[in-house]
Amino acid sequence: AQKITQTQPGMFVQEKEAVTLDCTYDTSDPSYGLFWYKQPSSGEMIFLIYQGSYDQQNATEGRYSLNFQKARKSANLVISASQLGDSAMYFCAMREDGQFYFGTGTSLTVIP
Amino acid sequence: NAGVTQTPKFRILKIGQSMTLQCTQDMNHNYMYWYRQDPGMGLKLIYYSVGAGITDKGEVPNGYNVSRSTTEDFPLRLELAAPSQTSVYFCASAQGTDYGYTFGSGTRLTVV
Repeated sequence: AQKITQTQPGMFVQEKEAVTLDCTYDTSDPSYGLFWYKQPSSGEMIFLIYQGSYDQQNATEGRYSLNFQKARKSANLVISASQLGDSAMYFCAMREDGQFYFGTGTSLTVIP
Repeated sequence: NAGVTQTPKFRILKIGQSMTLQCTQDMNHNYMYWYRQDPGMGLKLIYYSVGAGITDKGEVPNGYNVSRSTTEDFPLRLELAAPSQTSVYFCASAQGTDYGYTFGSGTRLTVV
């Protein structure tokens, strides 16, 4: 079974609108971490946000927030007020037992 | 600037050749990782290290070797290059398992 599933290969959003990128995960370990990364066309990987499995509150970092629904095993990324510079690939990842697992990514295009 | 430095950025190898991808970080991170990213796919973990002298296999270790003689360096060795190893390779480091990675800029390897 896939550890991380991102079901949206591509997404479009209007500039200044909010967008949600979906991520579901599979683990039986009670202790795990969830991460989102951004990969612009230049290729580098940029860490965006982290959510621990025991965290009660949803993580937020500026315009990024992680909608953590533990019972559903989902960790969706919400980007508010999209900007043209947000156009990139976005990867969801899980840390479990010292290893990281990445999803296949969602390509986000912000339309002016 | 502090960070993760990967060399080379690009390389073309012939089938059967060997090479070492270099990775150095100056943030005193204990955790270091090697990933490969195939076109249109997520990252797959090749090897990782939780400290100097300690290495472990990831999801796709076959055809690769690593060493971690110092905290700073984590080279990846390809002994007999095969076309299936054509990929972009990312090195990453982390302060701990609950922290996001810092990624290198990647090495684009083509085996012909």
